[in-house]
Amino acid sequence: AQKVTQAQTEISVVEKEDVTLDCVYETRDTTYYLFWYKQPPSGELVFLIRRNSFDEQNEISGRYSWNFQKSTSSFNFTITASQVVDSAVYFCALRGWGGSNYKLTFGKGTLLTVNP
Amino acid sequence: EAQVTQNPRYLITVTGKKLTVTCSQNMNHEYMSWYRQDPGLGLRQIYYSMNVEVTDKGDVPEGYKVSRKEKRNFPLILESPSPNQTSLYFCASSFHRMEFFGPGTRLTVL
Repeated sequence: AQKVTQAQTEISVVEKEDVTLDCVYETRDTTYYLFWYKQPPSGELVFLIRRNSFDEQNEISGRYSWNFQKSTSSFNFTITASQVVDSAVYFCALRGWGGSNYKLTFGKGTLLTVNP
Repeated sequence: EAQVTQNPRYLITVTGKKLTVTCSQNMNHEYMSWYRQDPGLGLRQIYYSMNVEVTDKGDVPEGYKVSRKEKRNFPLILESPSPNQTSLYFCASSFHRMEFFGPGTRLTVL
């Protein structure tokens, strides 16, 4: 069975601090996909990134960066110079190759609060 | 505009009163699914459909039904809602392993 663990339930930071959200996953598939979603207070799910298991390059998009390490089964998300608008729940998710593993398996989410 | 739509967006109902939440996508995707989101539990899949007339249970199917008579529509049916089905529900369609989510339906069962 697939599993995603986000050990940090809540994180609170002051604006301009850097913050890292942790994600650890488990799967028996050799091909899989990892995702991060943002859920602002309005409730919709906003796609941030998808990474497949064959691509371990780190990615940077503006203030956001992602560190994928297969050796530790982790896909961590860092926000640099956080802003109040970053306050949201962040979900890490895993999609396996096929069959019953095709579904998105979500972590329980991390509530990030950025204080001014 | 490519999108997944859900209706209603908000619903307050009473125990035992049958309800249907509609879901429609205009992207011709074969795979569709329903998730529920509860505090501290993340999102969990309720049912999914690989194609028309093909549906299967996800992780938390008890108390729900679905149907897939047309590719674009995937309604979620609660035949006898109970308070433990109070939740935020998301419909999604999938293509090339990318998930496209609807805006969510916030359901309260009193």
